[in-house]
Amino acid sequence: DTEVTQTPKHLVMGMTNKKSLKCEQHMGHRAMYWYKQKAKKPPELMFVYSYEKLSINESVPSRFSPECPNSSLLNLHLHALQPEDSALYLCASSQAGGLANYGYTFGSGTRLTVV
Amino acid sequence: QQQVKQSPQSLIVQKGGISIINCAYENTAFDYFPWYQQFPGKGPALLIAIRPDVSEKKEGRFTISFNKSAKQFSLHIMDSQPGDSATYFCAASSGRGGGNKLTFGTGTQLKVEL
Repeated sequence: DTEVTQTPKHLVMGMTNKKSLKCEQHMGHRAMYWYKQKAKKPPELMFVYSYEKLSINESVPSRFSPECPNSSLLNLHLHALQPEDSALYLCASSQAGGLANYGYTFGSGTRLTVV
Repeated sequence: QQQVKQSPQSLIVQKGGISIINCAYENTAFDYFPWYQQFPGKGPALLIAIRPDVSEKKEGRFTISFNKSAKQFSLHIMDSQPGDSATYFCAASSGRGGGNKLTFGTGTQLKVEL
């Protein structure tokens, strides 16, 4: 299995809703990432988990809450989002650490619309 | 502070031609330089990557040229095909344990015309 699976593919939520994005990989990768991508822009790093521990938080607002229940799963909990948070949310994974292990595998993303 | 500059922003190439996308970086700690290809509605997919101890890497029609002293690297797509029409991102990283943070360029929208 060489894929990163993200669900749902599309999500529309109101500003008072609580929702979660899910990401799963079975490649044995020990680093997992959340990226946010706006149209015609590069992905922007949000969070990095390494060995199931949060290692990087790029000053993301607290309305985004990541969770890594185990080495294969990564969640992003959403609460009280704003319309400007509408974007493609990408999950990625890679083997953590070491010069030989820099390849990222991205999922297809969740297209989030906040209304 | 943008650490990886990419040009051009958009590129139109005729079928069979050569597509060239350039990137420049500032952080000398970067030691891994991948290129990603992204189709609409999909996540980026790793296309080809290079490390600074190599000046060129070729995989099929795709070649990375790397100039360490100039802190520049480029992607060449030979015999460009309409199916190559996508957005291309260069990236760079420097990771030592605990995951590897990728810094992306701004992207190039490539269109290959018949």
